[in-house]
Amino acid sequence: ETGVTQTPRHLVMGMTNKKSLKCEQHLGHNAMYWYKQSAKKPLELMFVYNFKEQTENNSVPSRFSPECPNSSHLFLHLHTLQPEDSALYLCASSHGAGVNSPLHFGNGTRLTVT
Amino acid sequence: AQKITQTQPGMFVQEKEAVTLDCTYDTSDQSYGLFWYKQPSSGEMIFLIYQGSYDEQNATEGRYSLNFQKARKSANLVISASQLGDSAMYFCAMRERNTGGFKTIFGAGTRLFVKA
Repeated sequence: ETGVTQTPRHLVMGMTNKKSLKCEQHLGHNAMYWYKQSAKKPLELMFVYNFKEQTENNSVPSRFSPECPNSSHLFLHLHTLQPEDSALYLCASSHGAGVNSPLHFGNGTRLTVT
Repeated sequence: AQKITQTQPGMFVQEKEAVTLDCTYDTSDQSYGLFWYKQPSSGEMIFLIYQGSYDEQNATEGRYSLNFQKARKSANLVISASQLGDSAMYFCAMRERNTGGFKTIFGAGTRLFVKA
Protein backbone atom coordinates (compact mmCIF):
# COMPACT_ATOMS: atom_id res chain seq x y z
CA GLU A 1 0.00 0.00 0.00
CA THR A 2 1.36 3.40 -0.91
CA GLY A 3 0.53 7.03 -0.29
CA VAL A 4 -1.49 8.55 2.50
CA THR A 5 -4.57 6.73 3.78
CA GLN A 6 -7.24 8.27 5.95
CA THR A 7 -10.03 6.47 7.73
CA PRO A 8 -12.93 6.74 7.97
CA ARG A 9 -13.91 8.55 4.75
CA HIS A 10 -17.15 9.79 6.31
CA LEU A 11 -18.11 10.28 9.94
CA VAL A 12 -21.31 11.50 11.53
CA MET A 13 -21.18 12.13 15.25
CA GLY A 14 -23.22 13.77 17.92
CA MET A 15 -21.87 16.57 20.05
CA THR A 16 -21.37 14.27 23.04
CA ASN A 17 -19.57 11.49 21.16
CA LYS A 18 -15.89 10.66 21.15
CA LYS A 19 -14.33 9.52 17.90
CA SER A 20 -10.89 9.37 16.28
CA LEU A 21 -9.62 10.02 12.79
CA LYS A 22 -6.70 7.95 11.57
CA CYS A 23 -4.00 8.75 9.05
CA GLU A 24 -1.24 6.46 7.83
CA GLN A 25 1.52 7.21 5.35
CA HIS A 26 3.75 4.74 3.50
CA LEU A 27 6.05 7.30 1.89
CA GLY A 28 8.87 7.33 4.42
CA HIS A 29 8.11 10.93 5.36
CA ASN A 30 8.93 12.33 8.76
CA ALA A 31 6.45 15.19 8.97
CA MET A 32 2.67 14.87 9.22
CA TYR A 33 -0.07 17.48 9.27
CA TRP A 34 -3.76 17.95 9.99
CA TYR A 35 -5.68 20.51 7.96
CA LYS A 36 -9.34 21.54 8.23
CA GLN A 37 -11.21 22.49 5.06
CA SER A 38 -14.52 24.27 5.59
CA ALA A 39 -16.79 25.65 2.92
CA LYS A 40 -15.76 29.10 1.74
CA LYS A 41 -12.62 29.20 3.90
CA PRO A 42 -8.99 28.50 3.09
CA LEU A 43 -7.42 25.30 4.30
CA GLU A 44 -6.59 25.83 7.94
CA LEU A 45 -3.42 24.29 9.30
CA MET A 46 -4.24 22.66 12.63
CA PHE A 47 -1.22 20.64 13.76
CA VAL A 48 2.27 19.79 12.53
CA TYR A 49 4.42 16.91 13.70
CA ASN A 50 8.09 16.54 12.85
CA PHE A 51 9.73 13.25 13.86
CA LYS A 52 6.76 12.56 16.15
CA GLU A 53 7.15 15.89 17.96
CA GLN A 54 4.41 18.47 17.71
CA THR A 55 5.86 21.67 16.28
CA GLU A 56 2.68 23.60 15.51
CA ASN A 57 -0.65 23.99 17.23
CA ASN A 58 -2.49 26.67 15.34
CA SER A 59 -4.73 27.80 18.22
CA VAL A 60 -6.90 24.73 17.82
CA PRO A 61 -9.61 24.18 20.49
CA SER A 62 -8.82 21.49 23.01
CA ARG A 63 -11.76 19.38 21.82
CA PHE A 64 -9.33 18.35 19.04
CA SER A 65 -6.46 16.27 20.39
CA PRO A 66 -3.74 14.99 18.04
CA GLU A 67 -1.55 11.97 18.61
CA CYS A 68 1.50 10.87 16.63
CA PRO A 69 2.84 7.55 17.96
CA ASN A 70 5.38 7.20 15.15
CA SER A 71 6.36 8.91 11.92
CA SER A 72 3.89 6.84 9.89
CA HIS A 73 0.73 7.31 11.93
CA LEU A 74 -1.27 10.34 12.98
CA PHE A 75 -4.56 10.48 14.86
CA LEU A 76 -7.03 13.22 15.61
CA HIS A 77 -9.14 12.50 18.67
CA LEU A 78 -12.48 14.30 18.76
CA HIS A 79 -14.73 14.95 21.74
CA THR A 80 -17.64 17.26 22.51
CA LEU A 81 -17.51 18.83 19.08
CA GLN A 82 -19.70 21.65 17.85
CA PRO A 83 -21.73 21.78 14.61
CA GLU A 84 -19.28 24.36 13.22
CA ASP A 85 -16.59 21.68 13.39
CA SER A 86 -18.27 19.93 10.48
CA ALA A 87 -15.71 19.99 7.66
CA LEU A 88 -13.34 17.94 5.56
CA TYR A 89 -10.28 16.97 7.62
CA LEU A 90 -7.22 16.37 5.53
CA CYS A 91 -4.07 14.61 6.62
CA ALA A 92 -0.81 15.21 4.78
CA SER A 93 2.81 14.14 5.01
CA SER A 94 6.11 15.45 3.67
CA HIS A 95 9.81 15.23 4.14
CA GLY A 96 10.39 17.26 7.26
CA ALA A 97 13.21 19.47 6.16
CA GLY A 98 13.31 22.07 3.43
CA VAL A 99 10.98 24.53 1.77
CA ASN A 100 10.92 22.39 -1.37
CA SER A 101 8.94 19.48 0.10
CA PRO A 102 5.44 19.18 -1.31
CA LEU A 103 2.63 17.81 0.80
CA HIS A 104 1.09 14.47 -0.02
CA PHE A 105 -2.53 14.36 1.04
CA GLY A 106 -4.95 11.65 1.97
CA ASN A 107 -8.49 11.66 0.61
CA GLY A 108 -9.82 13.24 3.78
CA THR A 109 -12.51 12.47 6.32
CA ARG A 110 -15.82 14.26 5.81
CA LEU A 111 -17.03 14.99 9.34
CA THR A 112 -20.59 15.97 10.16
CA VAL A 113 -21.44 16.99 13.73
CA THR A 114 -25.13 16.79 14.56
CA ALA B 1 -2.89 38.75 8.17
CA GLN B 2 -3.59 36.86 4.96
CA LYS B 3 -0.31 35.56 3.59
CA ILE B 4 -1.55 33.90 0.43
CA THR B 5 -4.07 35.76 -1.69
CA GLN B 6 -6.02 34.32 -4.58
CA THR B 7 -8.33 37.03 -5.86
CA GLN B 8 -10.30 34.95 -8.37
CA PRO B 9 -12.99 32.86 -6.67
CA GLY B 10 -14.01 31.42 -10.04
CA MET B 11 -12.65 31.36 -13.57
CA PHE B 12 -14.01 30.12 -16.88
CA VAL B 13 -11.87 29.02 -19.81
CA GLN B 14 -12.67 27.52 -23.17
CA GLU B 15 -11.29 24.06 -23.83
CA LYS B 16 -7.86 24.15 -25.53
CA GLU B 17 -7.19 27.74 -24.44
CA ALA B 18 -4.67 28.88 -21.83
CA VAL B 19 -5.66 30.29 -18.46
CA THR B 20 -3.79 32.12 -15.71
CA LEU B 21 -4.70 31.74 -12.05
CA ASP B 22 -3.40 34.53 -9.84
CA CYS B 23 -1.56 34.21 -6.54
CA THR B 24 0.24 36.76 -4.41
CA TYR B 25 2.02 36.04 -1.17
CA ASP B 26 3.58 37.82 1.74
CA THR B 27 6.66 36.78 3.66
CA SER B 28 9.74 38.32 5.20
CA ASP B 29 11.75 35.14 4.75
CA GLN B 30 14.37 34.90 2.01
CA SER B 31 13.95 31.16 1.63
CA TYR B 32 10.50 29.80 0.88
CA GLY B 33 8.73 27.50 -1.52
CA LEU B 34 5.65 28.14 -3.61
CA PHE B 35 3.31 25.38 -4.69
CA TRP B 36 0.12 24.83 -6.61
CA TYR B 37 -2.32 22.05 -5.81
CA LYS B 38 -5.40 20.82 -7.65
CA GLN B 39 -8.49 19.53 -5.86
CA PRO B 40 -11.05 17.81 -8.11
CA SER B 41 -14.61 17.28 -6.93
CA SER B 42 -13.56 13.91 -5.54
CA GLY B 43 -11.70 15.79 -2.81
CA GLU B 44 -8.09 14.65 -3.02
CA MET B 45 -5.38 17.33 -3.16
CA ILE B 46 -2.89 16.81 -5.97
CA PHE B 47 0.51 18.51 -6.07
CA LEU B 48 1.09 20.19 -9.44
CA ILE B 49 4.20 22.37 -9.43
CA TYR B 50 6.87 23.89 -7.20
CA GLN B 51 8.94 27.08 -7.36
CA GLY B 52 11.75 27.89 -4.95
CA SER B 53 12.41 31.46 -3.90
CA TYR B 54 15.97 31.26 -5.20
CA ASP B 55 15.03 29.71 -8.53
CA GLU B 56 15.68 32.16 -11.33
CA GLN B 57 13.79 30.25 -13.97
CA ASN B 58 10.05 29.72 -13.93
CA ALA B 59 9.03 26.16 -13.11
CA THR B 60 7.27 24.04 -15.72
CA GLU B 61 5.57 20.66 -15.47
CA GLY B 62 3.92 19.55 -18.65
CA ARG B 63 1.00 21.89 -19.34
CA TYR B 64 1.57 23.74 -16.07
CA SER B 65 3.97 26.63 -15.64
CA LEU B 66 4.49 29.00 -12.78
CA ASN B 67 5.00 32.67 -13.59
CA PHE B 68 7.20 33.75 -10.68
CA GLN B 69 7.73 37.47 -10.15
CA LYS B 70 9.67 37.74 -6.93
CA ALA B 71 9.70 41.53 -6.63
CA ARG B 72 5.92 41.62 -6.97
CA LYS B 73 5.54 38.55 -4.72
CA SER B 74 3.38 36.82 -7.24
CA ALA B 75 3.32 33.18 -8.34
CA ASN B 76 0.67 32.76 -10.99
CA LEU B 77 -0.21 29.36 -12.42
CA VAL B 78 -0.56 29.09 -16.19
CA ILE B 79 -2.39 26.10 -17.62
CA SER B 80 -1.93 25.72 -21.36
CA ALA B 81 -4.30 23.89 -23.69
CA SER B 82 -7.04 23.47 -21.06
CA GLN B 83 -8.84 20.16 -20.89
CA LEU B 84 -12.25 19.30 -19.44
CA GLY B 85 -10.47 17.34 -16.71
CA ASP B 86 -8.80 20.53 -15.53
CA SER B 87 -12.09 21.66 -14.00
CA ALA B 88 -11.31 21.74 -10.27
CA MET B 89 -10.30 23.93 -7.34
CA TYR B 90 -6.74 25.22 -7.51
CA PHE B 91 -4.83 26.27 -4.41
CA CYS B 92 -1.67 28.31 -4.18
CA ALA B 93 0.50 27.52 -1.15
CA MET B 94 3.69 28.72 0.49
CA ARG B 95 6.08 26.72 2.61
CA GLU B 96 8.38 28.47 5.02
CA ARG B 97 10.34 27.76 8.14
CA ASN B 98 8.70 28.06 11.52
CA THR B 99 9.71 27.14 15.04
CA GLY B 100 10.78 23.52 15.06
CA GLY B 101 10.33 22.85 11.38
CA PHE B 102 8.41 23.96 8.35
CA LYS B 103 4.77 24.67 7.60
CA THR B 104 2.68 25.12 4.48
CA ILE B 105 -0.18 27.60 4.29
CA PHE B 106 -2.79 27.89 1.58
CA GLY B 107 -4.79 30.51 -0.24
CA ALA B 108 -8.57 30.44 -0.50
CA GLY B 109 -8.48 28.79 -3.90
CA THR B 110 -9.82 29.43 -7.39
CA ARG B 111 -12.49 27.27 -8.94
CA LEU B 112 -11.74 26.67 -12.62
CA PHE B 113 -14.47 25.71 -15.06
CA VAL B 114 -13.40 24.43 -18.47
CA LYS B 115 -16.09 24.80 -21.15
CA ALA B 116 -16.40 22.42 -24.10
